[in-house]
Amino acid sequence: GENVEQHPSTLSVQEGDSAVIKCTYSDSASNYFPWYKQELGKRPQLIIDIRSNVGEKKDQRIAVTLNKTAKHFSLHITETQPEDSAVYFCAFGGTSYGKLTFGQGTILTVHP
Amino acid sequence: KAGVTQTPRYLIKTRGQQVTLSCSPISGHRSVSWYQQTPGQGLQFLFEYFSETQRNKGNFPGRFSGRQFSNSRSEMNVSTLELGDSALYLCASSGQTGTLNSPLHFGNGTRLTVT
Repeated sequence: GENVEQHPSTLSVQEGDSAVIKCTYSDSASNYFPWYKQELGKRPQLIIDIRSNVGEKKDQRIAVTLNKTAKHFSLHITETQPEDSAVYFCAFGGTSYGKLTFGQGTILTVHP
Repeated sequence: KAGVTQTPRYLIKTRGQQVTLSCSPISGHRSVSWYQQTPGQGLQFLFEYFSETQRNKGNFPGRFSGRQFSNSRSEMNVSTLELGDSALYLCASSGQTGTLNSPLHFGNGTRLTVT
């Protein structure tokens, strides 16, 4: 079935360091790969997404890379700040409007 | 533009009861999907509606059902509640132009506690 493995489950970094979260997915038909950030007690919010015809996408301090051959995609956060502390979820989708398969989440803690 | 609105925010029910949760999507969005979030299982897809039709269903028992109205508002119902149904139920809308894989915009969720 559809599955995505997300690593690491927890990540602790010092302010200013980089953070990398990796996901591996199972469905070859997947063509949409979003990342969501969820702060404690709040809703998940989309921070960046990438489609299968693109290998990399960047938005300020956040970047996502996709390797379709290996079925990997990764989130890169540079110059981390304490406000980046949250749970990050990767996800993938195919040909649907609202069906995504989510990873288990990574708890990122950025220490000042 | 108003975001996705879910009501109620909190619910406490006892085992065996049923519950109905409501979701109003962002204006112009025609797709509504529902997710269950628990600490152990993460975010799991329940079902997805587009133009009043269920397009996809996740791996949940038949006690979980939903529907979408002509104004795109959606409801989900859980019958014969079990303790394991305690979770945060999130609604998301997408597809302002009917585009596949448009970004999901989540509501604040309904926190259901079954005792």
